Amino acid sequence: EAGVTQFPSHSVIEKGQTVTLRCDPISGHDNLYWYRRVMGKEIKFLLHFVKESKQDESGMPNNRFLAERTGGTYSTLKVQPAELEDSGVYFCASSQDFGNTQYFGPGTRLTVL
Amino acid sequence: AQKITQTQPGMFVQEKEAVTLDCTYDTSDQSYGLFWYKQPSSGEMIFLIYQGSYDEQNATEGRYSLNFQKARKSANLVISASQLGDSAMYFCAIISGGYQKVTFGIGTKLQVIP
Repeated sequence: EAGVTQFPSHSVIEKGQTVTLRCDPISGHDNLYWYRRVMGKEIKFLLHFVKESKQDESGMPNNRFLAERTGGTYSTLKVQPAELEDSGVYFCASSQDFGNTQYFGPGTRLTVL
Repeated sequence: AQKITQTQPGMFVQEKEAVTLDCTYDTSDQSYGLFWYKQPSSGEMIFLIYQGSYDEQNATEGRYSLNFQKARKSANLVISASQLGDSAMYFCAIISGGYQKVTFGIGTKLQVIP
């Protein structure tokens, strides 16, 4: 069974540009999560989808971040316009049911110059 | 609110020895789950072990065991017979109550010495 996949693995962009990160959860997992780790800090929750609906987006830092999960399969996280402080590793995770173990993808390392 | 504290930024252990990574947690919920994840230098987050708050026995998964002390609110990870491939960052995490978001600690960097 394939795990959670994320694309791209690395992205280097300039301040003010737009970047879109993609996450493909484990097949059959209705729950999809986005997390972010800024250098030297804890991994922080961004938001949670149940199928195509946003269940909790309390961790989204500001309105420059937009997450979608059309069709309830893969998800995208768009940062527009990117700022220097957005640099970090963005993780996606998925779980089958409420409270189950969340399995993480390899992350996307975003660098904003 | 839920919180994880990992007080060991870095640890060294000799190959084949056992090592304990500390984790304390805080939550006001009666029902919660505790996790440990491993992050090798390649960057991916690998699930290691899970302990539910109502589980009476400590969780074990191969060489990993979770020393769960509920009264002390601690959930230490014990790795037995360390291997060079165990060198990585280790994150303790909690999920509690009605929340689906996992709260992580800052991590402990473990280095296994040959």
